[in-house]
Order: sequence, then structure tokens, then C-alpha cells
Amino acid sequence: DTAVSQTPKYLVTQMGNDKSIKCEQNLGHDTMYWYKQDSKKFLKIMFSYNNKELIINETVPNRFSPKSPDKAHLNLHINSLELGDSAVYFCASSQEGGWHEQYFGPGTRLTVT
Amino acid sequence: AQSVSQHNHHVILSEAASLELGCNYSYGGTVNLFWYVQYPGQHLQLLLKYFSGDPLVKGIKGFEAEFIKSKFSFNLRKPSVQWSDTAEYFCAVNGGSQGNLIFGKGTKLSVKP
Repeated sequence: DTAVSQTPKYLVTQMGNDKSIKCEQNLGHDTMYWYKQDSKKFLKIMFSYNNKELIINETVPNRFSPKSPDKAHLNLHINSLELGDSAVYFCASSQEGGWHEQYFGPGTRLTVT
Repeated sequence: AQSVSQHNHHVILSEAASLELGCNYSYGGTVNLFWYVQYPGQHLQLLLKYFSGDPLVKGIKGFEAEFIKSKFSFNLRKPSVQWSDTAEYFCAVNGGSQGNLIFGKGTKLSVKP
């Protein structure tokens, strides 16, 4: 069974569109995250949710909005996509508080044309 | 602010050579330290972690790392690399009240058969 899953794996879309990426974990973890990996492979935290509540919101444009319907899901919605949003987005989860190892999903490669 | 530095951008080795990848972090408090590996086209997987105790930690696939608190370092080592170790290696630190992972910029390891 996949511990952390993301859909879709690939997403190609045009500038100005709105898109969503879904993430689900079946590990029973309380904390979930979104990371962005740019073209140079640099990984940076975007958001962190603990039990459906936003904990971390790094300097991310407000076009990005995370939604957590329950503690097993953390979706990422992106409005008005821009070329610079092209990246690989990774979802991750960990036990509560984030002081534990994080388990990563397979990533979603977003390409904005 | 916390930061993680990985000294080597790209390391090229022949099979059976020994490996050491440098990682230094800046954070004055208690930290947890991690090495993650990303094989081509795949998601991040945990290689090893340090939370407390013996500063020499052993991970999967023959990797080990040594935490040297006085040097703020957590270098990754492997005595004899294999072609299948070709991947991107990320050092990460988890500290502060929110506990989000701060990643280094990664080191690409290429192992020649």
C-alpha cells in the first residue's frame, strides 16, 4: 500500500488556469506538508498542516491555497498559474509536531506553458 | 534563520570508491538531522536520521553519517559505492518550534560502472 499518494503525477496546463493537486496519506499521521522542488532540485517548504490546521505558511503567493478536509488529506489549489509555478510539488506527512521523519509522496510535476 | 549547506554540487565516482558528502547546518538549538535520497524520477526516501544518542548513525544500503555538534556537521559516508547509488542526496535539518524540514541544495552523485 502506498503510504503517501499524490494525483496527478504529471500536470501540463496553460498560464492563467486554476489547478489542484491532491494528497492522501494512510499512515495515521497528524501533520502534512507541501514542498516545492524547483528546476535546480532545491526543495522548500510551502505549507504545513497539523490536524487540519495551518501551522506553517512560508512566503508563498496567495494564489496557492492548501485545503485539508481531514487529517489524511492535504490538497493544493493554485489559481492563475504562472510560468514560474512550473516545478515538482511533493506532499509529505509525519507524526504530530514535525519533529519526526517525514514520508514523501511521489511528486507532481507541474508544467505551465 | 536556519540553513543547511551541502558543499558538493556534483560528485562523480567510480564503483567501489569511498564516498563522503558534506553537510553543515546553522541552528543554535536542538536539531534532528536527516539524509534523504532521490533516485532519478522518484520521490525522496529517508536514508538515515539522527535525533539523539550515538552520533554515528547507520542507515539503509550501507550508508552512515556522523553528527559532530562542535562543527555543526552531519556528513554522509559510504565505504564502497555502487552504480545504483547514482542519485541526488539531500541533507535536512528539523529544528525550531514548528519543526519543518530545511533542506540543503542537494548533491548529485554519479557513479560510473
